[in-house]
Amino acid sequence: KNEVEQSPQNLTAQEGEFITINCSYSVGISALHWLQQHPGGGIVSLFMLSSGKKKHGRLIATINIQEKHSSLHITASHPRDSAVYICAASMDSNYQLIWGAGTKLIIKP
Amino acid sequence: DTEVTQTPKHLVMGMTNKKSLKCEQHMGHRAMYWYKQKAKKPPELMFVYSYEKLSINESVPSRFSPECPNSSLLNLHLHALQPEDSALYLCASSQVKGYSTSTDTQYFGPGTRLTVL
Repeated sequence: KNEVEQSPQNLTAQEGEFITINCSYSVGISALHWLQQHPGGGIVSLFMLSSGKKKHGRLIATINIQEKHSSLHITASHPRDSAVYICAASMDSNYQLIWGAGTKLIIKP
Repeated sequence: DTEVTQTPKHLVMGMTNKKSLKCEQHMGHRAMYWYKQKAKKPPELMFVYSYEKLSINESVPSRFSPECPNSSLLNLHLHALQPEDSALYLCASSQVKGYSTSTDTQYFGPGTRLTVL
């Protein structure tokens, strides 16, 4: 069983829909990261959070430490949001990120 | 400046070649990382440098040789690679939180797409 699990693996939605991607983890963490990767490579860090909720534009990330669960929400989704979204966990003990498998999101116009 | 740059963007090399990948950041980050990413998989950590010293080597074959000549530069020297080493190689950097080795937000470069023939 992976220590960080994401769902769904793939998600296709229409432009304007509210999107939710979920991440569950089984290890003690210091922070949970959400990252975005567009086709062709570059990875962008969207959020790093250890409690509560963060918002940046149309993106919202939440974390429930007790339930070991995090969600990434996209409001008013747009085709340019199409990408792979990855959650990753970091721990105090080392530099490593424990990566989820990613969610491939396609937003159709 | 929140940019991590990587050169070259694409590299094709034969199994007997020697080449180098270069990564640069000017954010004052003292932790720098090399990752290898195969298609449809998350990145796999290869090396971590902290304050220009090799902190983590994830049992990477010796045909990959990292170098951190200063706090802004990170190189990955390649020699006698195999076709299965073809992948996207990503560099990243982050702050080091005091004495903790916990990673802060990592900033990634665009990657070098490596093809080994």
